[in-house]
Amino acid sequence: DGGITQSPKYLFRKEGQNVTLSCEQNLNHDAMYWYRQDPGQGLRLIYYSQIVNDFQKGDIAEGYSVSREKKESFPLTVTSAQKNPTAFYLCASSIGGGQSEAFFGQGTRLTVV
Amino acid sequence: GQNIDQPTEMTATEGAIVQINCTYQTSGFNGLFWYQQHAGEAPTFLSYNVLDGLEEKGRFSSFLSRSKGYSYLLLKELQMKDSASYLCAVRGSGAGSYQLTFGKGTKLSVIP
Repeated sequence: DGGITQSPKYLFRKEGQNVTLSCEQNLNHDAMYWYRQDPGQGLRLIYYSQIVNDFQKGDIAEGYSVSREKKESFPLTVTSAQKNPTAFYLCASSIGGGQSEAFFGQGTRLTVV
Repeated sequence: GQNIDQPTEMTATEGAIVQINCTYQTSGFNGLFWYQQHAGEAPTFLSYNVLDGLEEKGRFSSFLSRSKGYSYLLLKELQMKDSASYLCAVRGSGAGSYQLTFGKGTKLSVIP
């Protein structure tokens, strides 16, 4: 079955620690995205990648980093510089831009204590 | 940039029809998407409009007016399982054609 897999579903970390969220897709999509969702805020774009070895900042990139070394994988690192990291993180992919719809993973709920 | 507005919450009765509106102001436009999201789950794709007019897909329809920067999602014969958040999202154009910007979502509650 093709799809997007995010792991883990729930993640707890101590304040000041970096943490990496995994996102893998086997849909052969070129584009991948990371969104953050907070209550009442909708989905906000953190980073996106149009193709392997290339990525761009979204609206709220500060305190986050990404890599795109393989087409299938787009991990997101939440660094200690991110002031409010507790949130629901969603990864998505699409064939390309334009009219191609985005498919989402099941999300990772990160709690920093 | 993109600015997308939707009502925060709506309530409707089982079996009825509900219309969820979305207005947008964008620097470029390459289509509008509607997604459904149940609490704690991933958004799932409902519809896409890039030309003016109505797109119908079963109980769900979506309308777009590009000149007015306006779209709506119409849900007919409401069922309890339709209780969810409905997200409006806009694709940019040109260099922004890979960016998909979401509104804050409309939480729909369907009551018996």
